[in-house]
Amino acid sequence: GESVGLHLPTLSVQEGDNSIINCAYSNSASDYFIWYKQESGKGPQFIIDIRSNMDKRQGQRVTVLLNKTVKHLSLQIAATQPGDSAVYFCAERSSGYSTLTFGKGTMLLVSP
Amino acid sequence: DSGVTQTPKHLITATGQRVTLRCSPRSGDLSVYWYQQSLDQGLQFLIQYYNGEERAKGNILERFSAQQFPDLHSELNLSSLELGDSALYFCASSVEDGGSSGNTIYFGEGSWLTVV
Repeated sequence: GESVGLHLPTLSVQEGDNSIINCAYSNSASDYFIWYKQESGKGPQFIIDIRSNMDKRQGQRVTVLLNKTVKHLSLQIAATQPGDSAVYFCAERSSGYSTLTFGKGTMLLVSP
Repeated sequence: DSGVTQTPKHLITATGQRVTLRCSPRSGDLSVYWYQQSLDQGLQFLIQYYNGEERAKGNILERFSAQQFPDLHSELNLSSLELGDSALYFCASSVEDGGSSGNTIYFGEGSWLTVV
């Protein structure tokens, strides 16, 4: 079936760098996308979302970019901090449905 | 703190046994979702309830069942447990049933189930 997937399983960056986590999706009916952060032993924490009628949305130190042409989603984290170390999941929801389909996750490791 | 409360946080039980995981959604949220997270399968959607009624079903085994009560809390029942059922089980909640963008789904901290 259709799924959401991530290109990189692990991303290692230095503190202060900008991080980019990528996600590919295959369901053209998806109209809503979310990024979650999951720290060890905790539940997924909502970071930022974007609707399919947008191509960019900014939050505090985070930006999500959506390219519907190539079905690609990215999460940019500015001035990455050690506290940003976690697994990041992209998730998509199809129009008319409430459930989320998650990608496999990318581990972000931030070195001081 | 997401506002979604799950109990117990950790549970160890033997194969063949039955357990019940409990979830209290965020105040005001009518939808409750259950997800299973294992190392090899990632986050898998199990089932969703909205205002007491089953709304959507995912990869939930027949040995598993769930319900949402009038006070909106939910329970996930896992029976005839197998070693492969060891996983982290998450409950999540949202205000609406979905079908509209922007209905943020918030997750609890999860219940660690170990089957030995």
